[in-house]
Amino acid sequence: SAVISQKPSRDICQRGTSLTIQCQVDSQVTMMFWYRQQPGQSLTLIATANQGSEATYESGFVIDKFPISRPNLTFSTLTVSNMSPEDSSIYLCSCMGTGNWGSVFGPGTRLTVL
Amino acid sequence: AQRVTQPEKLLSVFKGAPVELKCNYSYSGSPELFWYVQYSRQRLQLLLRHISRESIKGFTADLNKGETSFHLKKPFAQEEDSAMYYCALNSGGSNYKLTFGKGTLLTVNP
Repeated sequence: SAVISQKPSRDICQRGTSLTIQCQVDSQVTMMFWYRQQPGQSLTLIATANQGSEATYESGFVIDKFPISRPNLTFSTLTVSNMSPEDSSIYLCSCMGTGNWGSVFGPGTRLTVL
Repeated sequence: AQRVTQPEKLLSVFKGAPVELKCNYSYSGSPELFWYVQYSRQRLQLLLRHISRESIKGFTADLNKGETSFHLKKPFAQEEDSAMYYCALNSGGSNYKLTFGKGTLLTVNP
């Protein structure tokens, strides 16, 4: 199955700044997904990123706050813009596993905003 | 709108005891359900999907459409089963958009 890596693994950022999280898959995948896991909460889908088209955002998430790039079939970035402490979360990248077996997840990026 | 409910935030059992982690869902379409597990310091990984109807690490889960449930069961818990378990619903068809429950932290005591 696909293996996903993410950078950075964690970061501490100041309010008002932006952070770009990178997601690399070791094989070509059509769809990539970005999730957020706030402290004590479950995973929430932010957006779906298809190569060659604009990302599709879920209700409550907007492109200005979470711009996503998908330049090729193995890579995606998520930017968390103009951060506030409420953005402190774990951000996870995901894609479909081999044979549509189910989603595969990256290790996550733990973001703390001061 | 779709929803996944895991009523127990914490579940503690003794080694060798049966364990059942509850999951209920709300979805107007045909559900596709999964159990994911996250062991300490490891990434989230797929444990079971209802379509495959197989047993992984001794765990099974049966989809009950009448009760809208997908409970995870194991007859004899092991200490290595201690982990966070998430029930998830695919509401996006082939797009695989997952809705997760809040998770149950299972602790298996020696």
